[in-house]
Amino acid sequence: ETGVTQSPTHLIKTRGQQVTLRCSSQSGHNTVSWYQQALGQGPQFIFQYYREEENGRGNFPPRFSGLQFPNYSSELNVNALELDDSALYLCASSFGAGEIGSEKLFFGSGTQLSVL
Amino acid sequence: KQEVTQIPAALSVPEGENLVLNCSFTDSAIYNLQWFRQDPGKGLTSLLLIQSSQREQTSGRLNASLDKSSGRSTLYIAASQPGDSATYLCAVWGDNYGQNFVFGPGTRLSVLP
Repeated sequence: ETGVTQSPTHLIKTRGQQVTLRCSSQSGHNTVSWYQQALGQGPQFIFQYYREEENGRGNFPPRFSGLQFPNYSSELNVNALELDDSALYLCASSFGAGEIGSEKLFFGSGTQLSVL
Repeated sequence: KQEVTQIPAALSVPEGENLVLNCSFTDSAIYNLQWFRQDPGKGLTSLLLIQSSQREQTSGRLNASLDKSSGRSTLYIAASQPGDSATYLCAVWGDNYGQNFVFGPGTRLSVLP
């Protein structure tokens, strides 16, 4: 158990809808990263939040957005869902952001999103 | 752009065998390399972290090596057990591609009793 919790565990949406995924980081961690993992592939970096500010972004369109709250929990929002958005969405927390030695990530169990 | 590959994509071995999983990366300017384990439908668990200045790390039956100049890492699992069955992913962290890991696609390991 890493202490990182994600909700919901599974979600089914239809194309064009919007979805919000939630993540509670491990106690003492101030950084949250979100990854998308398609079936049979490694996770792809979406973005990272450090002290409530976006601190890095991968190659994902603007309809993928996020928030980090004062308690360092986080949300991932996806608008205008597409079929290709079907994936496991992983949240990882850490302490520090981009600093050497801050790269020890603790992952949650993920949210499995299916878009029909 | 950093690219990470892993060979083989899948591996099936009888219990008790020693085995090696391979990871290759194209950009040697990395700070560290990490090996993760992922059980089906679950998150990732960090197994070993090798800093760029190190050559290897060991934890129990696991040994990971890093050859930064050739862009390669191996994960050695000794005396494999059915409980080792999972997908193993390597990931690299570097300064050239933002505040994030670049992952390989993983090797799916099955250890047969």
